[in-house]
Amino acid sequence: DVVMTQSPLSLPVTLGQPASISCSSSQSLIHSDGNTYLNWFQQRPGQSPRRLIYKVSNRDSGVPDRFSGSGSGTDFTLKISRVEAEDVGVYYCMQATHWPPATFGRGTKLEIK
Amino acid sequence: EVQLVESGGGLVKPGGSLRLSCAASGFTFSTYSMTWVRQAPGKGLEWVSSISGASSFLYYADSLKGRFTISRDNAENSLYLQMNSLTAEDTAVYYCARDYGGDYWGQGTLVTVSS
Repeated sequence: DVVMTQSPLSLPVTLGQPASISCSSSQSLIHSDGNTYLNWFQQRPGQSPRRLIYKVSNRDSGVPDRFSGSGSGTDFTLKISRVEAEDVGVYYCMQATHWPPATFGRGTKLEIK
Repeated sequence: EVQLVESGGGLVKPGGSLRLSCAASGFTFSTYSMTWVRQAPGKGLEWVSSISGASSFLYYADSLKGRFTISRDNAENSLYLQMNSLTAEDTAVYYCARDYGGDYWGQGTLVTVSS
């Protein structure tokens, strides 16, 4: 199975400052169809996960444009340009290229300093 | 509006069985694959199983060792997960999600396996 490694696991950020979360995979996530199936999810405290980004860099409907995804191959990044209080929660990357199984990173807990 | 509502969770003894349901609305259910993901208390997300729109393809996590069965009823817009031979390690919130990539998720249903 593909192992997804996130860093950092804990991310204290000052309101209004940028934040960046890294995710690396144990194999390239480029699918034979040319797509890269790397998604990012946000899970706010007490809530269900919500997908933010699909196929590396595509924002889901309703996701603020302060969230962006980038990367290729085995290294990916989720960036928040200016952190707001509502961004507190745990962020997960997930790969669905080498599927099944889909595999998730351990999660990065974002908190406000 | 896409809605996914899970039900069927609860307290079950080790070795017991449980059937989870997920009622879908707000989209053409039969045209989407569906997925179950679980989250043990205080832990991360774990993919459990997925099913294609017409039930032609079923996928399971190897760790389940044949104990779980995913199914769907497109006439009823419902997704199911039959769970047998449950152990304490199956204690988790179980989420249903639309598509293999999980673009929409339900609120989850808690399964607790304990004597």
